Amino acid sequence: GAVVSQHPSRVICKSGTSVKIECRSLDFQATTMFWYRQFPKQSLMLMATSNEGSKATYEQGVEKDKFLINHASLTLSTLTVTSAHPEDSSFYICSARDSEITYEQYFGPGTRLTVT
Amino acid sequence: GIQVEQSPPDLILQEGANSTLRCNFSDSVNNLQWFHQNPWGQLINLFYIPSGTKQNGRLSATTVATERYSLLYISSSQTTDSGVYFCAVAYSNFGNEKLTFGTGTRLTIIP
Repeated sequence: GAVVSQHPSRVICKSGTSVKIECRSLDFQATTMFWYRQFPKQSLMLMATSNEGSKATYEQGVEKDKFLINHASLTLSTLTVTSAHPEDSSFYICSARDSEITYEQYFGPGTRLTVT
Repeated sequence: GIQVEQSPPDLILQEGANSTLRCNFSDSVNNLQWFHQNPWGQLINLFYIPSGTKQNGRLSATTVATERYSLLYISSSQTTDSGVYFCAVAYSNFGNEKLTFGTGTRLTIIP
């Protein structure tokens, strides 16, 4: 199966600072990547769809100015949490599809963000 | 949007037991995936099964798309099977592939 990596796996930052999370497809090219958020003991919620070379599409209720997404190449998408607050603390997971034939998505290992 | 319900929410079994996890969804789908989320949070792909039956070792899955449900079977459970199992669905076309996740089934296998 396809491999998706994320960096960092864990980050602690202070309120008011910005944090960048990288999502890479290691053995395939991804024109579309997806960013999810997961709170403890809850399910995954899609935040946005990241499209290579164009603007991201955000889900309702997700602040685009707070969660900046850049899909600069076919193997890299970044999520920047700007002016982080403690309520932004969460587990962030990205995914991508590796096929032009099926819709199967593969997920990265996730990034645990703690804002103090 | 599509609603996804999973049952049971929690399941505790003795090692060696068999289990069946269920996923009900509210609308037509052409994408259905089963995942195992391990204790470190990694989502592991188990099955891509918008319809039909598949088997992989001790695991198998069946999706009856016309009746809007999918089942995940785990046989001869091992402690490493513990974790949360998610079903996720979508009616996709390339350019619109939003997966909706169920609430998950937390499986605990006791030695």
